[in-house]
Amino acid sequence: ELKVEQNPLFLSMQEGKNYTIYCNYSTTSDRLYWYRQDPGKSLESLFVLLSNGAVKQEGRLMASLDTKARLSTLHITAAVHDLSATYFCAGSGSARQLTFGSGTQLTVLP
Amino acid sequence: DADVTQTPRNRITKTGKRIMLECSQTKGHDRMYWYRQDPGLGLRLIYYSFDVKDINKGEISDGYSVSRQAQAKFSLSLESAIPNQTALYFCATSDLTGDGQPQHFGDGTRLSIL
Repeated sequence: ELKVEQNPLFLSMQEGKNYTIYCNYSTTSDRLYWYRQDPGKSLESLFVLLSNGAVKQEGRLMASLDTKARLSTLHITAAVHDLSATYFCAGSGSARQLTFGSGTQLTVLP
Repeated sequence: DADVTQTPRNRITKTGKRIMLECSQTKGHDRMYWYRQDPGLGLRLIYYSFDVKDINKGEISDGYSVSRQAQAKFSLSLESAIPNQTALYFCATSDLTGDGQPQHFGDGTRLSIL
């Protein structure tokens, strides 16, 4: 059974700073997803990572995947207020059903 | 127009009532999913369906049932609602053939059971 753990669960950071969210998973997951959720809103797909060593970047966000370590990271560069949201990682089972982490609630302070 | 539409968006009901949440999609995807979101727990899978004739239980299916009426429609029922089923419910879809494509989520249904 796939289990996914994220840390930290809560993150406050100042604008302009860098930080990394970590996502560990327990068994083989052939793909790793990152989603963003704004309060009261739906989930927005950010990245899909398909293979070991995969790195994807969009704006100030960069995601990577290390399948040997069963670890994915979401790196935030020079944070801005608009990045405040909850970020979820999710692993994928054999039927492509998702197992989510608990989420990281990010607050970017001025 | 939203690609994945959930109705109702909000529902307040009483313990013991039968509730149906509906999901329809215009994306033409084969796979549909129902998730539940509770604070601090992320999303958990209730049921998923690969096509009209293929329904599968997820992690937390007890107390729930589903119906895939058509490729585009997937409904979730609570036969006799109880307060601990109060949560935010999401429907999602994905493409059978598009490897590496993410699941697409509806806007959610906020359900409160008194």
